[in-house]
Amino acid sequence: QVQLVQSGAEVKKPGASVKVSCKASGYTFTSYDINWVRQATGQGLEWMGWMNPNSGNTGYAQKFQGRVTMTRNTSISTAYMELSSLRSEDTAVYYCARDSAFVGELSSRFDPWGQGTLVTVSS
Amino acid sequence: SSELTQDPAVSVALGQTVRITCQGDSLRSYYASWYQQKPGQAPVLVIYGKNNRPSGIPDRFSGSSSGNTASLTITGAQAEDEADYYCNSRDSSGNPHVVFGGGTKLTVL
Repeated sequence: QVQLVQSGAEVKKPGASVKVSCKASGYTFTSYDINWVRQATGQGLEWMGWMNPNSGNTGYAQKFQGRVTMTRNTSISTAYMELSSLRSEDTAVYYCARDSAFVGELSSRFDPWGQGTLVTVSS
Repeated sequence: SSELTQDPAVSVALGQTVRITCQGDSLRSYYASWYQQKPGQAPVLVIYGKNNRPSGIPDRFSGSSSGNTASLTITGAQAEDEADYYCNSRDSSGNPHVVFGGGTKLTVL
């Protein structure tokens, strides 16, 4: 079955960086964009950006420009999200999600989602 | 960038029908998708496009759209439908970005 499996929880100090992985299985990794979404405790979903695993092209939400980098390793069907200059406000669960929409489809379609990775930023 | 607005909380009696709405300018150009999230779990897609349900989603979930407003309707709400619901859509401001609504907490009474 189509599945995204993320790396485990991380604890980081302010100013450090974190890199979260998202391993895809059950489909051709390069055929669908991967998006990253985060959720602070008790808060809503916040879209961070997307990556095309085939081309490596990326697009980031303005809020994260300059701090986030999305990459991939196609040989192991894995996407990565690295967030730098961490601060306490970055404490959240980070999700990867496949955008299953076809080219030209007039909706996004995030399905499936990874299980989430808790990143805690604390001194 | 675009914004999507949802009511923070909605309640429905067991077995009744409830509509959850999502408003935003991007919905004039794109369809909303809807996600259900239960505590401690990742979101799950329940509706996408004009009114499409992924495999495994009960047919009591349906979607509709008019102007700048998209709606998720649950016909005959069940106890297991109690969850947070989020809409999202593509950003209509010219870049291939995505925007989420703030979420609606659905309580089934």
